[in-house]
Amino acid sequence: DGGITQSPKYLFRKEGQNVTLSCEQNLNHDAMYWYRQDPGQGLRLIYYSQIVNDFQKGDIAEGYSVSREKKESFPLTVTSAQKNPTAFYLCASRKVDRAYGYTFGSGTRLTVV
Amino acid sequence: AQTVTQSQPEMSVQEAETVTLSCTYDTSESDYYLFWYKQPPSRQMILVIRQEAYKQQNATENRFSVNFQKAAKSFSLKISDSQLGDAAMYFCAYRRPATSGTYKYIFGTGTRLKVLA
Repeated sequence: DGGITQSPKYLFRKEGQNVTLSCEQNLNHDAMYWYRQDPGQGLRLIYYSQIVNDFQKGDIAEGYSVSREKKESFPLTVTSAQKNPTAFYLCASRKVDRAYGYTFGSGTRLTVV
Repeated sequence: AQTVTQSQPEMSVQEAETVTLSCTYDTSESDYYLFWYKQPPSRQMILVIRQEAYKQQNATENRFSVNFQKAAKSFSLKISDSQLGDAAMYFCAYRRPATSGTYKYIFGTGTRLKVLA
């Protein structure tokens, strides 16, 4: 079955370290997105990419970086510049020629220790 | 800038009863989409229902229906015959029209729904 796979499910990071969250989809979707979810704040957009080798900053891109070298993959790196990285991270994808139809992954919980 | 407000942090409903979750939004655009997403304990977001702003008819999906009041900028979700599996966090979301280019969602802060047996 097609879908989005996020790994790992839980991730622990020491302060000052960079960590990379994986997001892979086999839906042949063009666009991919990274959201951050904090209690009481809903979901906020970090980065998005509508085609390979191109990506755009979302509302809270500071301290994060992404790459889109393959259509299927959109990894998110949480850098040491992100001051408050503990959160739940959701990846989503969408076929560009459809008005709707986001598919979400099951998320990664990142905790700074 | 567009905003989405869910004023009920938590709601409870008895199994088999009906519950309505509220959502209001603010926008100056006339064409847009509205969505309700469900996030169960697995934390994967699942689309429940969507509404195109240009359609006057309220969307319905089985036990889920919306009351879309465009002039009042209100988009409530009604769940009929509530089931234990409906217990989840529910998010209201706004998406700008296709001409905006980004397809970015704006989410509300969520309403946690508890279903009592």
